[in-house]
Amino acid sequence: GAGVSQSPRYKVAKRGQDVALRCDPISGHVSLFWYQQALGQGPEFLTYFQNEAQLDKSGLPSDRFFAERPEGSVSTLKIQRTQQEDSAVYLCASSPSGSGSPLHFGNGTRLTVT
Amino acid sequence: SQQGEEDPQALSIQEGENATMNCSYKTSINNLQWYRQNSGRGLVHLILIRSNEREKHSGRLRVTLDTSKKSSSLLITASRAADTASYFCATDAWGIQGAQKLVFGQGTRLTINP
Repeated sequence: GAGVSQSPRYKVAKRGQDVALRCDPISGHVSLFWYQQALGQGPEFLTYFQNEAQLDKSGLPSDRFFAERPEGSVSTLKIQRTQQEDSAVYLCASSPSGSGSPLHFGNGTRLTVT
Repeated sequence: SQQGEEDPQALSIQEGENATMNCSYKTSINNLQWYRQNSGRGLVHLILIRSNEREKHSGRLRVTLDTSKKSSSLLITASRAADTASYFCATDAWGIQGAQKLVFGQGTRLTINP
């Protein structure tokens, strides 16, 4: 594919609903990252995968957040029982390796919890 | 938490002028990267400078790094309206299991007035 693809582009959820956000990284990219970006702020790290292994999930705000990448390609970020403070843009990024190389970002999913 | 702090938070200049943005960080780094984000889009990598480099150029971009002061600057020369965007610095940080992740600053919002 041409770049990192995220879907849906926009998601509105009622408080308490579960949501699933999808990321299709660039084919062959080993590393995959999820970031959360609040309005007017920089991206905040959530979690990191190397192939199918989730090597770092220290940034996940609570146990309501769960991410997976079962086959080392597509990744899903799931948020259970959404809260208003979960409203943000969720960015996915991939890179060929995990050694601090430049990240390729998708356009993000804007989540609004009402 | 975010390691980098950009200064200024917002900058508005006339087309053709030069724009300078600064970034300060707290811990030792292997490299520092600059990204651009247009409104409603993902981040785009601009330039990477390693800790043993002091200056790097790419087209109209010039980046400097002073590891003794833990600071970097991004200079955009001969600015154009299309340069209007938010600019972020990012530093590498070692997380759990040796996984390397990027930590972003708050960003500088640059507006180029025609």
